[in-house]
Amino acid sequence: GAGVSQTPSNKVTEKGKYVELRCDPISGHTALYWYRQSLGQGPEFLIYFQGTGAADDSGLPNDRFFAVRPEGSVSTLKIQRTERGDSAVYLCASSPTSGSADTQYFGPGTRLTVL
Amino acid sequence: AQKITQTQPGMFVQEKEAVTLDCTYDTSDQSYGLFWYKQPSSGEMIFLIYQGSYDEQNATEGRYSLNFQKARKSANLVISASQLGDSAMYFCAMREADRDDKIIFGKGTRLHILP
Repeated sequence: GAGVSQTPSNKVTEKGKYVELRCDPISGHTALYWYRQSLGQGPEFLIYFQGTGAADDSGLPNDRFFAVRPEGSVSTLKIQRTERGDSAVYLCASSPTSGSADTQYFGPGTRLTVL
Repeated sequence: AQKITQTQPGMFVQEKEAVTLDCTYDTSDQSYGLFWYKQPSSGEMIFLIYQGSYDEQNATEGRYSLNFQKARKSANLVISASQLGDSAMYFCAMREADRDDKIIFGKGTRLHILP
């Protein structure tokens, strides 16, 4: 079956611009997560959705970052007024539910470069 | 304090040898899950193996096994009969039961398999 997909695979933008990153989770998975991975580091949690609502957005670094999941499937991570420090790989993951035993399955990521 | 500690930034192992990747974790929860993910140079995060805190047996998945020592808060990954395709970054991660949203990742170990 289809895994988690993310588009675009690469995004290059200029400082100050707005970007949207899309995640299409595995069909039927109710939980969706966004992580950010900087070079040489492990992924860091950004936000978690259970269904349509953001259950935990404590990892969003500031109010320039926002994410939505209006119909409980596809999610969009939105970054306003991008800064060079936002350059990273943005990973999306989904799981069937959100219990501690549920494995999160990751997409291939979007590599964001802010010039 | 770091929740997940991987003390080996890099390892070189001869092909066909077994390799152990170290991971220690810190939690006060009784219920939690431990994961290992592989990240090849392509960037995708590949789930390898899961161990629940209440599981009495060490988890095994093919050539992967998890050496779980609960009292020592240790969850080492053992790869038997290593192959050239095992060369990648390996991340140890934990999900706490009362934080069923995010997975916390270590900094990773880069494994190089030598022919």
